[in-house]
Amino acid sequence: GNSVTQMEGPVTLSEEAFLTINCTYTATGYPSLFWYVQYPGEGLQLLLKATKADDKGSNKGFEATYRKETTSFHLEKGSVQVSDSAVYFCARTSGSARQLTFGSGTQLTVLP
Amino acid sequence: EAGVVQSPRYKIIEKKQPVAFWCNPISGHNTLYWYRQNLGQGPELLIRYENEEAVDDSQLPKDRFSAERLKGVDSTLKIQPAELGDSAVYLCASSLGPLTGANTEAFFGQGTRLTVV
Repeated sequence: GNSVTQMEGPVTLSEEAFLTINCTYTATGYPSLFWYVQYPGEGLQLLLKATKADDKGSNKGFEATYRKETTSFHLEKGSVQVSDSAVYFCARTSGSARQLTFGSGTQLTVLP
Repeated sequence: EAGVVQSPRYKIIEKKQPVAFWCNPISGHNTLYWYRQNLGQGPELLIRYENEEAVDDSQLPKDRFSAERLKGVDSTLKIQPAELGDSAVYLCASSLGPLTGANTEAFFGQGTRLTVV
């Protein structure tokens, strides 16, 4: 099937620390991959995406590279800020179903 | 440009009562999705529309849930009767078309947080 496995949280970091949130997906079809962010009390916002193998998505200092050989799409940021505190969701498209399948989410808290 | 608009933001009802959620997608978006997000989990698809046609409703509990998208624009999701386990955030999303090829972005509304007591 089409599934996404995401690193469980919560993750707590100090400001300016390095962030990695792991995400792996089942290798069915040729999915596009996404990271969505959900700030407290708000809906999901697209953070970045990659549509084919070896593509790198980037936005607001966050990056993720589509790795077909390891079926991974890990989210990274070199120096987190307090304002990055949110829940992060990894997602993939499901080719035939034409919808998004989400991971369970990772809560990130950045302390000043 | 307005994003996906949902109402109400919050709803508290007693079990066995009916409830309805409304969604206005981004103008020009033909595809509309309803997702349910349980506490501490990722969203799960309930139903997907292409224009006014429900093309994927396999995850919609049809004994108590119903949805419609008249004229292929706004959509309403209804639960009747509600159960305690229906407490969740109900998210609406829209995209230009099916998430294939060059069209791979879905936009989400803020959601309706339902509490059934």
